[in-house]
Amino acid sequence: EAGVAQSPRYKIIEKRQSVAFWCNPISGHATLYWYQQILGQGPKLLIQFQNNGVVDDSQLPKDRFSAERLKGVDSTLKIQPAKLEDSAVYLCASSLAQNTEAFFGQGTRLTVV
Amino acid sequence: AQSVTQLDSQVPVFEEAPVELRCNYSSSVSVYLFWYVQYPNQGLQLLLKYLSGSTLVKSINGFEAEFNKSQTSFHLRKPSVHISDTAEYFCAVSQWGNNNDMRFGAGTRLTVKP
Repeated sequence: EAGVAQSPRYKIIEKRQSVAFWCNPISGHATLYWYQQILGQGPKLLIQFQNNGVVDDSQLPKDRFSAERLKGVDSTLKIQPAKLEDSAVYLCASSLAQNTEAFFGQGTRLTVV
Repeated sequence: AQSVTQLDSQVPVFEEAPVELRCNYSSSVSVYLFWYVQYPNQGLQLLLKYLSGSTLVKSINGFEAEFNKSQTSFHLRKPSVHISDTAEYFCAVSQWGNNNDMRFGAGTRLTVKP
């Protein structure tokens, strides 16, 4: 079974630039999550999708972050414009159903300079 | 919303010693509990989970955790650690109901020394 795929693995951008991350969840997984993991901290949930609908985006900085999952499969997370404090690993995860374990991708390490 | 507190940011132990990584949670409703492990330069992997039933859950590599509802805890234990257990361990909680909103603790870095 293929795992959660994320790209790119690494990205370096200057502040005020924009960036996009892509995630392809495990086939058949209805729930998709985006987490931000700042160095030395635990993953922080940014947004959760159930199929193509948003379940929770209460911790997403909506003035600069956006995410979509148009066809209920893969998803993109965008930051525009980026700030220095956005430097982190962005993790995508998916789960088969509600309240089952989440499977994580390798993450995208973003460095904003 | 639910929250998780991992009481120790770093735990250094010698090989073959026992270890306990502490996790406490808060939630207004019933919860599911998870421990994830992150080895150096790797992604998060599920170590074990409590969904219902027996409050003591075990992993295939010798870790176990016990759900204690009265103390709102889900501490992770291993009677004898190996060098290869060196990693970051994250406790996570999600609430029963329609929203499988999984929240993580800050993590505990376990370092096993020879």
